[in-house]
Amino acid sequence: QKEVEQNSGPLSVPEGAIASLNCTYSDRGSQSFFWYRQYSGKSPELIMSIYSNGDKEDGRFTAQLNKASQYVSLLIRDSQPSDSATYLCAVNRGNQFYFGTGTSLTVIP
Amino acid sequence: EPEVTQTPSHQVTQMGQEVILRCVPISNHLYFYWYRQILGQKVEFLVSFYNNEISEKSEIFDDQFSVERPDGSNFTLKIRSTKLEDSAMYFCASSVVSYETQYFGPGTRLLVL
Repeated sequence: QKEVEQNSGPLSVPEGAIASLNCTYSDRGSQSFFWYRQYSGKSPELIMSIYSNGDKEDGRFTAQLNKASQYVSLLIRDSQPSDSATYLCAVNRGNQFYFGTGTSLTVIP
Repeated sequence: EPEVTQTPSHQVTQMGQEVILRCVPISNHLYFYWYRQILGQKVEFLVSFYNNEISEKSEIFDDQFSVERPDGSNFTLKIRSTKLEDSAMYFCASSVVSYETQYFGPGTRLLVL
């Protein structure tokens, strides 16, 4: 079983719409959960971190965590063409992060 | 804003040669990491480093790999005898504590011929 699973996409949404990205993880002992954005050929860039069950909002981004279901999601409201990238879910275990394969998002103008 | 830096940005080497990838983590961070990303694949953990020693390493991090913090600022990854399959983007990251946000450097693209 993979540590972190994401739908690879591609996911396409029109500009201004809500993009919904999902992630599941296998280790119930994981403490910290992150969404990173990665543009082609670039390094991962932090979007959101979340540590406790519920929702966390930061501008147009909302992360949701459900530890009982081992599920993390990211909602992007009012999607912009500049949001087009690969979104990586990362989960910690001990001193390392496990990354999903990423979901490719395209926002269509 | 403080950031992780990496040098070189690109490295081309012949199979069997040694390479050293360099990183300068964010100055007040205590945990340091190396990851690699083969083209088109996911980011994979290699090793974490804390208090001048390896704290965790993955199966990828075999005897060909080593890490070092030679001084108060640099953190290096050495690959002793490169193989074709070592061709990848190598990212350094650092964090204040192990379970909090890791900040990534821009990466070194390694090509082994």
